[in-house]
Amino acid sequence: SQQGEEDPQALSIQEGENATMNCSYKTSINNLQWYRQNSGRGLVHLILIRSNEREKHSGRLRVTLDTSKKSSSLLITASRAADTASYFCATEDNQGGKLIFGQGTELSVKP
Amino acid sequence: DAGITQSPRYKITETGRQVTLMCHQTWSHSYMFWYRQDLGHGLRLIYYSAAADITDKGEVPDGYVVSRSKTENFPLTLESATRSQTSVYFCASSESHSGGYTFGSGTRLTVV
Repeated sequence: SQQGEEDPQALSIQEGENATMNCSYKTSINNLQWYRQNSGRGLVHLILIRSNEREKHSGRLRVTLDTSKKSSSLLITASRAADTASYFCATEDNQGGKLIFGQGTELSVKP
Repeated sequence: DAGITQSPRYKITETGRQVTLMCHQTWSHSYMFWYRQDLGHGLRLIYYSAAADITDKGEVPDGYVVSRSKTENFPLTLESATRSQTSVYFCASSESHSGGYTFGSGTRLTVV
């Protein structure tokens, strides 16, 4: 069964705009991670946020985590055409050792 | 992603055949994983391994077998391939418990 659910399933924006993707999950977690997948490629790890953290930044990426609502968001600021990809959240539950992925958000950034 | 390689990149096989997908990593990461990716299902965990000779089932293990005799290799075998196993298969590794994963480029398997 899927743990994380991303919203929206697809998002289309113009270059320079911000993109926000949301992830909800069901059980208690150790950490939540975001990955990017370009078409036909493997997934690339973007950022990890632990259950005791509320916000984390990495370059143009900002991730928030609200454990009371069991939700996370990924914000990409000043988007570029190269950000076009699918974005997945993944959760590690507190039994540990393995990630469960959501179905992803397909982001299209138009030049 | 040079440190984790999957082979073959593409494979077509017939129903009922045995097929093995290979995964090799050069970092000596303890943890290795196999996922399948299908439209409408995202990525689903098939099997994982915390160390050599230690493997465990994921969400969808039926019809698959794994082994891990060496830390760097984690082959996935479909004992008798079925059409429902047509998918893209990803191998991943992680240095530590509760760390980020590094994924291979995937194997696209078609069962006809």
